Amino acid sequence: DVKVTQSSRYLVKRTGEKVFLECVQDMDHENMFWYRQDPGLGLRLIYFSYDVKMKEKGDIPEGYSVSREKKERFSLILESASTNQTSMYLCASRGGWAGAQPQHFGDGTRLSIL
Amino acid sequence: KQEVTQIPAALSVPEGENLVLNCSFTDSAIYNLQWFRQDPGKGLTSLLLIQSSQREQTSGRLNASLDKSSGRSTLYIAASQPGDSATYLCAVDLGSGSARQLTFGSGTQLTVLP
Repeated sequence: DVKVTQSSRYLVKRTGEKVFLECVQDMDHENMFWYRQDPGLGLRLIYFSYDVKMKEKGDIPEGYSVSREKKERFSLILESASTNQTSMYLCASRGGWAGAQPQHFGDGTRLSIL
Repeated sequence: KQEVTQIPAALSVPEGENLVLNCSFTDSAIYNLQWFRQDPGKGLTSLLLIQSSQREQTSGRLNASLDKSSGRSTLYIAASQPGDSATYLCAVDLGSGSARQLTFGSGTQLTVLP
C-alpha cells in the first residue's frame, strides 16, 4: 500500500513565523502535490512537483514556496505566516508519467496561525 | 476552465439503501476521473479511478460510471452501511502537462443512519 506521511497532524504558529510542512512518500512516486482545503472553497492546488528539484505553481502559490531535494520528500514553506493561511494542508503523490494512476493522500496537517 | 459540480451537497439515508452520488464537469476532454472518500479531519482515500476510455469501474459495493460526452459521473453505493458515512469527492484530470493536476468538486456529505 502507498503511504504518504505528513510530519504533523496539528500545528500552531504565530504570524510572521517561517513554517515548514513536510511530506514523505514511500512508493518512489515522481509526482507530488500540496493542496489546502477550506470550507466552502474545497481543495485548491498550491504547488506540485514532477521530479526532484522541479516545481510548478498551482492555483494559489502566493505566500508559499516548496522544496524537493529528494524524490520521496516534498516540503511546503510558508515564508512569513499570516492568519489567512490557517487551513488544512494535504499532501499527495502519484506515480508514473502517463497519468492514469490515482493520487494518494496523507492524513493532512491542520495549521493554525495566531 | 474546468468546473466540477457535485449535487447534492449533503445526503442522509437509512442503512441498507442503495444510493447514487452525482458529479458533473464542464470540459469533456478529461484524461480520467477519480472518486475519493474523506472522513472528518482526515485526508482523502482513493476509491475508484475511471480512465477516459472506460465506462465504469467496480470495487466491492461501489460502482462508478463515466459518460464523457455528457460530462457526468455517478458513484453507486449498494446496501449502504453506517461506516459509509463520509464526504465523497470526485476529481477530474485534464491530462495536460508533465504532471496531471486534478480539479475537485466540493463533495457530497453522506450520512447513513443505523
